[in-house]
Formats: sequence, C-alpha cells, structure tokens
Amino acid sequence: KQEVTQIPAALSVPEGENLVLNCSFTDSAIYNLQWFRQDPGKGLTSLLLIQSSQREQTSGRLNASLDKSSGRSTLYIAASQPGDSATYLCAVSRAYSGAGSYQLTFGKGTKLSVIP
Amino acid sequence: GAGVSQSPRYKVAKRGQDVALRCDPISGHVSLFWYQQALGQGPEFLTYFQNEAQLDKSGLPSDRFFAERPEGSVSTLKIQRTQQEDSAVYLCASSYTGAPNQPQHFGDGTRLSIL
Repeated sequence: KQEVTQIPAALSVPEGENLVLNCSFTDSAIYNLQWFRQDPGKGLTSLLLIQSSQREQTSGRLNASLDKSSGRSTLYIAASQPGDSATYLCAVSRAYSGAGSYQLTFGKGTKLSVIP
Repeated sequence: GAGVSQSPRYKVAKRGQDVALRCDPISGHVSLFWYQQALGQGPEFLTYFQNEAQLDKSGLPSDRFFAERPEGSVSTLKIQRTQQEDSAVYLCASSYTGAPNQPQHFGDGTRLSIL
C-alpha cells in the first residue's frame, strides 16, 4: 500500500525567505505527483503536476522536483510572502489494474506560516 | 460552471440519520472522485466515476456509504445510519478525462458533523 509522508508537519518562516517542503512515498510505481495548497475551510488548489517521466516543474515562485527512484519530491518556494500561508499537500497517483482509477494518495500536509 | 461546486457546505446530523452530499463537477469533465478528509489528515480516496459508471469504489469504508452519478454529471454521496466516525470533510474532484496527466480540480467540500 502506497504511503506518503510530508516533513515537516509545520513550518514558520519570516517573509522573504526561501523554503523547501519535503514529500516521500514508499512505492515508486507512480504515474504522477501533484502539489496542492489548502486554505482553512477550503478545498484543494492544484499548484504543480509532475509526470513520472519528468524531473521538475516550475510555476512562478514555485518549483517542484521529483526523484521517482528514491521516492522523493520537494516543493521550493522562493521569496515567501504572507499570502503563501496555507497547508501544502503532496499526492501521488497510480492506476490500479482493471479499474482505470487514477486516485490520489495524499500526505498529511505541511502547515506553512509566513510571518510579515 | 467555473469550478467544482459542493452542497451543502456544512451539515450537522444526529447519529443514525441518513445524509446526502451533492457535487456539481466542472462542465464537460468526464471523471469524478470523492475523498474523505478527517481533521488534520490528508484526503483519502472513496470512489471514482467515469461518466455515469462507478469504476472504483474500493475506498468506501462500509456498505453504509453509497455514491451515484446517474446522468454522468452531478454526483451524490449518501451515508446511511451515520456514525460519529463519519464526521469529516467530504471533497469532490473532477478531471477532464481522468487520465493521469490531467490534474484533479477540487471543490470546497462539505463539512459533516455527526452528533
């Protein structure tokens, strides 16, 4: 059974600092990995999706890397802002034979606080 | 619509009551997923539809949970004889094709509290 772990569980940084969030998964047979953001009381917003054949994806101040063989991904946030404060979730997808379901398996998330 | 819409946003029910949670996916999205998110946890997969066909229900925790998508658009998650452990946020997600290269778009969820 796939297990996804995110470290740290919580992180507090001053505004302007660069930071890295970590995600690890136990089964390297994945189709893709997604990073999501979740604000309190809200659903999930997809930030970046990395296909298993890719090494990284970038969007603005965000950069996500994937090392499938070691079962690791990192989310790098440059020049953090108070508006970046949220919970960041990592999720991997895998198709199960016959079902065609690319369900996501999530970590518990990292709660980020950016202090002005 | 512009995004995935879920209703109600909040639902309080007494233990033993039946509840129904609704999901309106993004127009034209073929695939629809339901997830359950307990407090302080990541979402956990419940079930998956491709159009009106329920192709995967391996995550449903018991036979008290039932989901349908009769016309391949709106979906309803029904929980019968609710228990306190059913208290959670129920999230719905849709994707254009359900293929792994397509991101899943999530609604804001329904927060269910069982008293």
